[in-house]
Amino acid sequence: KAGVTQTPRYLIKTRGQQVTLSCSPISGHRSVSWYQQTPGQGLQFLFEYFSETQRNKGNFPGRFSGRQFSNSRSEMNVSTLELGDSALYLCASSCGDTVYNEQFFGPGTRLTVL
Amino acid sequence: AQKITQTQPGMFVQEKEAVTLDCTYDTSDQSYGLFWYKQPSSGEMIFLIYQGSYDEQNATEGRYSLNFQKARKSANLVISASQLGDSAMYFCAMREDIPCGANSKLTFGKGITLSVRP
Repeated sequence: KAGVTQTPRYLIKTRGQQVTLSCSPISGHRSVSWYQQTPGQGLQFLFEYFSETQRNKGNFPGRFSGRQFSNSRSEMNVSTLELGDSALYLCASSCGDTVYNEQFFGPGTRLTVL
Repeated sequence: AQKITQTQPGMFVQEKEAVTLDCTYDTSDQSYGLFWYKQPSSGEMIFLIYQGSYDEQNATEGRYSLNFQKARKSANLVISASQLGDSAMYFCAMREDIPCGANSKLTFGKGITLSVRP
């Protein structure tokens, strides 16, 4: 099976703009989770989607939003970008046929906000 | 709330030797799972090993083993016969063990940098 794919891999935006990141989970996986990774805060959970419904949300402002489509693909959107939003955004898929229900991560989207 | 603590800032190991990466955790959940992930410089997180809170045996996956001490709330990763390709960041993480789709959220530690010397 193909792994988790994320597009784009790299993105440069300026403050105030908005951005949309895309994630395609492993075929058959129904859950998609998003994480933000920064040197200062480490890995922080953003939100999780399962069967097109947001099941869990981390402690991030409303500028961060997401959605999941019927084919399990997910997008996350960040509006009114701030310098502090510069980070590696990782998508993970799970709820497939694995024994431990571990999360499989994509390569990430590296967002730079200038 | 769940918390993972990884205090080793950086570790060095000679090629072919074994190394232990420390992880302590805190949770009020009765049933939980502990994970270790490897993150090379490319950025992708690679799943290494899993330990369930009710598993009596320590988990093993190839050269990786998990030294699980539930009473001490520790879940240390042991890598045997280190290879140059093991140089990476290693993250300990935990998740409440509930049905799929209810809450897959992973809580991560800060990570440990491992450098393998030839």
